[in-house]
Amino acid sequence: EPEVTQTPSHQVTQMGQEVILRCVPISNHLYFYWYRQILGQKVEFLVSFYNNEISEKSEIFDDQFSVERPDGSNFTLKIRSTKLEDSAMYFCASSRQGLRNQPQHFGDGTRLSIL
Amino acid sequence: KNEVEQSPQNLTAQEGEFITINCSYSVGISALHWLQQHPGGGIVSLFMLSSGKKKHGRLIATINIQEKHSSLHITASHPRDSAVYICAAFLSNFGNEKLTFGTGTRLTIIP
Repeated sequence: EPEVTQTPSHQVTQMGQEVILRCVPISNHLYFYWYRQILGQKVEFLVSFYNNEISEKSEIFDDQFSVERPDGSNFTLKIRSTKLEDSAMYFCASSRQGLRNQPQHFGDGTRLSIL
Repeated sequence: KNEVEQSPQNLTAQEGEFITINCSYSVGISALHWLQQHPGGGIVSLFMLSSGKKKHGRLIATINIQEKHSSLHITASHPRDSAVYICAAFLSNFGNEKLTFGTGTRLTIIP
């Protein structure tokens, strides 16, 4: 069965550095999402992406964050000038249709540790 | 205040027991998802439903739109069912593609 794949599985970065988290959604999916889960807390929506543009974003997704689909297969989350509180598990997800109609497929996540 | 509430937060049961996890939400929804988070952190989508009931193997999900409540049931529970179960709702008063998550229910099945 097709899967959403995320790399790396664990990223350790110094505070203030930029990180790029990578995702390869399922190939025929059109909607892409990033979520964040701080250790011990609930999963939080960050951003949704459709037709090469952001369709929804949360208040967490400020100017520090950006998303891109640089080619036909990758979907990336960039965090500029990382802060300690950015340490979390980041999940990518994709779906063929929007959330009203289709469940999402999640990747296994990238654990981001900011030192 | 979280718009999606789950109970219980933690649940420990003996193998074979019937399990019920509850989810309630404060506003109207268009759809609700039940997710399973493995001990390693990965998330798997179990169900998406907007009305009635769905069944997949030993898992059953129900939703009552009028009461703003959904339940996830596991029949004949097994230690491999041990995981965190999360409900996530697509709330009508929020954006078109935003899921609001519950805090999860940590289920432990003892052999």
